[in-house]
Amino acid sequence: GESVGLHLPTLSVQEGDNSIINCAYSNSASDYFIWYKQESGKGPQFIIDIRSNMDKRQGQRVTVLLNKTVKHLSLQIAATQPGDSAVYFCAENGLKGGADGLTFGKGTHLIIQP
Amino acid sequence: DAGITQSPRYKITETGRQVTLMCHQTWSHSYMFWYRQDLGHGLRLIYYSAAADITDKGEVPDGYVVSRSKTENFPLTLESATRSQTSVYFCASSSGGNNEQFFGPGTRLTVL
Repeated sequence: GESVGLHLPTLSVQEGDNSIINCAYSNSASDYFIWYKQESGKGPQFIIDIRSNMDKRQGQRVTVLLNKTVKHLSLQIAATQPGDSAVYFCAENGLKGGADGLTFGKGTHLIIQP
Repeated sequence: DAGITQSPRYKITETGRQVTLMCHQTWSHSYMFWYRQDLGHGLRLIYYSAAADITDKGEVPDGYVVSRSKTENFPLTLESATRSQTSVYFCASSSGGNNEQFFGPGTRLTVL
């Protein structure tokens, strides 16, 4: 079946650098995508979302890019800080347009080097 | 504002026992969800509910039962726990089926 996946399981960046976390999805029917951050021992926390009628959306220090042509989603974090260390999940709204929950990727562990 | 809470946070039980995990949200969100998180599988949907008295199966519903008699509560019951149900369980809620979901802190369940 179709699923959401991630290119890299672990990403290590220097503090202050920009981070880019990638996600590939294969469900062309998905029209809503979310990035979540999960710190150790906690539940996933919403970062930013984007709908399929948009290519880019910016938040505070974060930007999500959506390329529907190649079914690719990315999360950019500017000026990475130690508090950004976490596992990041992309999620899509699944085959039924959202009513059946989200389909999550496996996650990317972002490690911040001092 | 309590948001979304889960109880217990940690639970150890034995194979064959019945276990109920509680989830409570204070936002009056219509949608609620249960996920399990396992290494190598990420988050997988067990059951969801679009409103009180309306529930539906997710990706991995076998061995689980849910109910939604009140909008704010969505308990998950393992009728006869198995070792394969050892996992971290997350409850989530949202105001709509296509909206952002808010997650609880999780319940770590160990079945011996």
